[in-house]
Amino acid sequence: SSELTQDPAVSVALGQTVRITCQGDSLRSYYASWYQQKPGQAPVPVIYVKNNRPSGIPDRFSGSSSGNTASLTITGAQAEDEADYYCNSRDNSGNPGFGGGTKLTVL
Amino acid sequence: QVQLVESGGGVVQPGRSLRLSCAASGFTFSSNPMHWVRQAPGKGLEWVAVISKDGSNEYYADSVKGRFTISRDNSKNTLYLQMNTLRAEDTAVYYCARAPNWNYVHVFDYWGQGTLVTVSS
Repeated sequence: SSELTQDPAVSVALGQTVRITCQGDSLRSYYASWYQQKPGQAPVPVIYVKNNRPSGIPDRFSGSSSGNTASLTITGAQAEDEADYYCNSRDNSGNPGFGGGTKLTVL
Repeated sequence: QVQLVESGGGVVQPGRSLRLSCAASGFTFSSNPMHWVRQAPGKGLEWVAVISKDGSNEYYADSVKGRFTISRDNSKNTLYLQMNTLRAEDTAVYYCARAPNWNYVHVFDYWGQGTLVTVSS
């Protein structure tokens, strides 16, 4: 099983900045990626490997890392950013793993 | 554009088998490792299995090891997941996903829309 830990839920006021975190020992060795998932839809990558945004992802999404913690920051959250967010990296076995997910509510 | 389209899901009894397929297009299929990832109803994402671009290496989550087999046919641009001895806890939406390369095999840069597998008597 993955050993990446996320807060289950986070909320942010419209237009404000929110940070979603992911903790795990493997993050000291491997960068995290982040995926957005809206109800009934497949996950969509928003940040690859620390802080690379796929084409089409707004620049309000950014990634960072320090020690055993990776963060996804949304600067100026929009209503359409309300979704579940999953971090991903390798687990302690070297296999891919996901965090438990964070439900983001935009107020 | 990259497209991944899963098929083969459905309702199956415990202990039975099912094979999922994922048809790939819009990229050179034989150039990328490929994964299966699943999501039980109301739960988070769980990695299931990965296969190297030429099919020579496969790795599995402990929860499916010995029961599931990942394979690919690069001539048909298709990824497969053979699921045997299915259990109720295998009920999930199964996604196929692409990795950019083996160095970043733990990264998923494109996903299919998923196919639902329900294991129930």
